Amino acid sequence: GAVVSQHPSRVICKSGTSVKIECRSLDFQATTMFWYRQFPKQSLMLMATSNEGSKATYEQGVEKDKFLINHASLTLSTLTVTSAHPEDSSFYICSASGTIERGDTQYFGPGTRLTVL
Amino acid sequence: SQQGEEDPQALSIQEGENATMNCSYKTSINNLQWYRQNSGRGLVHLILIRSNEREKHSGRLRVTLDTSKKSSSLLITASRAADTASYFCATEGSGGYQKVTFGTGTKLQVIP
Repeated sequence: GAVVSQHPSRVICKSGTSVKIECRSLDFQATTMFWYRQFPKQSLMLMATSNEGSKATYEQGVEKDKFLINHASLTLSTLTVTSAHPEDSSFYICSASGTIERGDTQYFGPGTRLTVL
Repeated sequence: SQQGEEDPQALSIQEGENATMNCSYKTSINNLQWYRQNSGRGLVHLILIRSNEREKHSGRLRVTLDTSKKSSSLLITASRAADTASYFCATEGSGGYQKVTFGTGTKLQVIP
């Protein structure tokens, strides 16, 4: 199946700093990428959907100024957590989809564990 | 919220037994998928079943879908210790382009 990578896999930062997480589709062009957040022992919650070259669509309750998403190319999307606080500590997972056909499988990245001290 | 509910929340079985997990959802869907997640790791896609399908098999996995009851089940036969993980169902709503909503998950422990 298709491969999606995330970088970094783990990051620890101080409160108030910004952290950028990259999501790359390695062997296909991803027209749509999704960003999820998963708190410990909980399910994945969709944060935002991004289409290449356009602004991301954020889910209700997700601050777009805090979680900046850039989908500048068909193989790369970035999530920047700005002015991170301890409550932003979470597991962030991206997924990518390569076609507009409904029902196409999303391919998930391995996740990035963010710890804000 | 369309978030699915899964039950049981946790399941502990002996190796060799079958494990059944259930997922219920609230609105109409295009498809339903099952994923597996080992502790602290990413997701592994297991199987996708479309809304016009009722049953699907993949190796030791059997998935059923009942759209009238808005429910699905995942059966793992002859379980192995390596099957220990959390299992999530995820639905793609018929009204939203490829937007996937995850269920609450079932934590499966297979005891050797």
